[in-house]
Amino acid sequence: DIQMTQSPSTLSASVGDRVTITCRASQNIDNLLAWYQQKPGKVPKLLIFRASSLETGVPSRFSGSGSGRQFTLTISGLQPDDSATYYCQHYNGDSRTFGQGTKVETK
Amino acid sequence: EMQLVESGGGLVKPGGSLRLSCSASGFTFNNYRMNWVRQAPGKGLEWVSSISSKSSYLYYADSVKGRFTISRDNAKNSLSLQMNSLRGEDTAVYYCARDHPHYAMDVWGQGTTVTVSS
Repeated sequence: DIQMTQSPSTLSASVGDRVTITCRASQNIDNLLAWYQQKPGKVPKLLIFRASSLETGVPSRFSGSGSGRQFTLTISGLQPDDSATYYCQHYNGDSRTFGQGTKVETK
Repeated sequence: EMQLVESGGGLVKPGGSLRLSCSASGFTFNNYRMNWVRQAPGKGLEWVSSISSKSSYLYYADSVKGRFTISRDNAKNSLSLQMNSLRGEDTAVYYCARDHPHYAMDVWGQGTTVTVSS
């Protein structure tokens, strides 16, 4: 089974900072990776699909990159509303695997 | 507006059974693969099961294989998850989620809570 490992587990940054979250796959997954944002008590929200495509309605300060085994989610100009936990997720034909999550806090 | 509404959660004893339902509206349900995803208290997201648009393909996480059964009724725009032999580690919020055309999940329900406890 493919494992997805996110880093860091938590991060704290100031408003306006550039924030980067990394997701590493245990083997090559091409670009079959999505990113989600989940705020406390809320439903996950799709941000990025196919590693780098922005979902409709998602602010352009969010971007994704990578292929193969290493991927990044970048928030360019952190906003207070971005405080949340972020998950990467790999799509396999017969399963999906989430990373363990990265909690982002705004100082 | 695209919407998914789960129901059927509750408190059940270990070894018991529960059936979750998810009602879909605002999109052509029978065009999409559907999923169940769960989240234990204070933990991350865990994919549970998927079903193809015409029920031809069913997939399960190893943690629930042999105990849970996913099904759908396209005529009623509904998705179900039959959960048997429940364990404490099955305690979680269960979400139904629609598969995005590009290998993600783009529409999520609000979730239904399952608690397995004696």
